[in-house]
Amino acid sequence: DQQVKQNSPSLSVQEGRISILNCDYTNSMFDYFLWYKKYPAEGPTFLISISSIKDKNEDGRFTVFLNKSAKHLSLHIVPSQPGDSAVYFCAASANAGNNRKLIWGLGTSLAVNP
Amino acid sequence: ETGVTQSPTHLIKTRGQQVTLRCSSQSGHNTVSWYQQALGQGPQFIFQYYREEENGRGNFPPRFSGLQFPNYSSELNVNALELDDSALYLCAGGERHNNEQFFGPGTRLTVL
Repeated sequence: DQQVKQNSPSLSVQEGRISILNCDYTNSMFDYFLWYKKYPAEGPTFLISISSIKDKNEDGRFTVFLNKSAKHLSLHIVPSQPGDSAVYFCAASANAGNNRKLIWGLGTSLAVNP
Repeated sequence: ETGVTQSPTHLIKTRGQQVTLRCSSQSGHNTVSWYQQALGQGPQFIFQYYREEENGRGNFPPRFSGLQFPNYSSELNVNALELDDSALYLCAGGERHNNEQFFGPGTRLTVL
C-alpha cells in the first residue's frame, strides 16, 4: 500500500516556466514532508521541507505548499532551469516513538527544456 | 556535499552469497538509516541505527542486518542473497528527532 503517491511519473517544462510537482499521502499521522532531488548515479539530495503546522515554505526558487485537509502537497519551481532536470521524490515522516523513518513516493522525473 | 560516503559503488554477487555494504557519515550524524531502492521505485526503509543499536526496522527479513560503529561508520549485511535483492542501497546520516536525512551516493548491488 503506497502511503505517499506521486501520480505523475514524468513532467516536461520549458526553461523559465513554472514546474509543479504533486504528491498525495494517505497517512494522517505524517507530520513532516520533504522533497529530495536525485540525479543519476547520485544519492537523493535534500531540497526543501515543510512541517504539518505550516501550509507554505519558500526557499529561493522552490516553494512547497501543503493542504492537510486534502492530504496533498506540491513543489513549485520558478523559474525552472535546465539544471533542475532530475527525479524528484516526495517523502513523509511521522513520529514513531524515537524513530523517524522516511516513507517515499515513486518519484517524478522532471525535464526542463532549454 | 552531504558528508556521507558509501563503498563500493557497484557490486555483483551470485544468489546465496553474503554481502557487506559500507557507509561513512560525518560527525554530528548520530543516526544512520539504510534504504533499498529498486528500479523505478522510491527508497524503502530497511532500518535505522542510533548509538550502535537498531532503532526501528522496515518490512525486511532478518537476513538484512546492520552495524553502527562509534566512528560514524556503518555496515549493511545481507545473507543468502536473492535475485530480488538487486537494487541501489542508500545510506543516510541524520540526527535523532531531526527530520532531515543526508544521503550517500549509494551502492548498486546486482545479484545474478
